[in-house]
Amino acid sequence: EAAVTQSPRNKVTVTGGNVTLSCRQTNSHNYMYWYRQDTGHGLRLIHYSYGAGNLQIGDVPDGYKATRTTQEDFFLLLELASPSQTSLYFCASSEDSAEQFFGPGTRLTVL
Amino acid sequence: SQWGEENLQALSIQEGEDVTMNCSYKTYTTVVQWYRQKSGKGPAQLILIRSNEREKRSGRLRATLDTSSQSSSLSITGTLATDTAVYFCATRNYAQGLTFGLGTRVSVFP
Repeated sequence: EAAVTQSPRNKVTVTGGNVTLSCRQTNSHNYMYWYRQDTGHGLRLIHYSYGAGNLQIGDVPDGYKATRTTQEDFFLLLELASPSQTSLYFCASSEDSAEQFFGPGTRLTVL
Repeated sequence: SQWGEENLQALSIQEGEDVTMNCSYKTYTTVVQWYRQKSGKGPAQLILIRSNEREKRSGRLRATLDTSSQSSSLSITGTLATDTAVYFCATRNYAQGLTFGLGTRVSVFP
């Protein structure tokens, strides 16, 4: 059973659109993370959380909001999507900040 | 960037050969992790090496860490076609997330 799942797996939206990416983990981990992956930049941390209701900013947070509603669920919100946010997004979870377990990714295209 | 300036490196090798990939980091860290990402999948941790360890082995994998030069390496012995992937090194940053290097693309041909 996949321990970190993401939905949708693919999403196309237009500039200015509103997008929510969802992540659920069944690892009972406290930490959850959102990364984006782009050619030439590798994986970069957007936001992370260490528990329900907690939110911390990462290295590239501009243009993104996030909410952690439960221990299992972490959402990434793009309220005014821009073409620069076209990317592959990964969610991950960890017990502490050591090994992280990644989901399968969501490919987002902003036209 | 936490990592030395580098482009995504690419290596093509034949099955059975050994391969070593390197990365260097700029700021102090207590842990270096190596991840593998296969096509269409998320990264998965292969090995974690701490600053008090110079070497760590796991099956066909061997990681080294040199804190004096702030560099780490990952070696795979007897590669298989299924080792084809992008390999990343990563350090834990101040934000408790990971800072990833750009990676090494390894293609193993039968």
